[in-house]
Amino acid sequence: NAGVTQTPKFQVLKTGQSMTLQCAQDMNHEYMSWYRQDPGMGLRLIHYSVGAGITDQGEVPNGYNVSRSTTEDFPLRLLSAAPSQTSVYFCASRPQGLNEKLFFGSGTQLSVL
Amino acid sequence: RKEVEQDPGPFNVPEGATVAFNCTYSNSASQSFFWYRQDCRKEPKLLMSVYSSGNEDGRFTAQLNRASQYISLLIRDSKLSDSATYLCVVGRANFNKFYFGSGTKLNVKP
Repeated sequence: NAGVTQTPKFQVLKTGQSMTLQCAQDMNHEYMSWYRQDPGMGLRLIHYSVGAGITDQGEVPNGYNVSRSTTEDFPLRLLSAAPSQTSVYFCASRPQGLNEKLFFGSGTQLSVL
Repeated sequence: RKEVEQDPGPFNVPEGATVAFNCTYSNSASQSFFWYRQDCRKEPKLLMSVYSSGNEDGRFTAQLNRASQYISLLIRDSKLSDSATYLCVVGRANFNKFYFGSGTKLNVKP
């Protein structure tokens, strides 16, 4: 039972570099999302998708791009990394339904120097 | 104003104690409510959903007060293994956005 798989677990970037955080789920969930977690801030929504070909912005979308070409995959791209993007990133998916829970990946610790 | 607010704690309690956390939310259109547990920056995991009539799962009881816009979590007979951060999560009417509180840290001591 893979669930939600995130890679990499750790990443160090230099300011200005670009990279893609990968997220895949094998539960056929329509809804997928990316959060960042900073100390004392809780999880904040970056982008989300309600199905293949459909994406929308969350609370803190600036500096990040997403795409959803398949139901399974929802990569997060950092176009030009900044120190303010140092954070822990979580991908999450959920089935449709009023009280359906979010299933989380194990997270990516990203440091931008 | 934050969508969801929680007391960050920490709450330091002895084993066997009863402890309660509250969480307030700002948007009256919120329709789904959850408590998640997070250990040491690992991924959050669902503890329980919160229903309008209140609900219980073993030692855990959750209540929702729509009039005052808060939810609560009661933990009875605390165990060492309950030590974690508890996240309050609120979902909007269209269910596409979930707002997380910053978490309440619980330390259960022997």
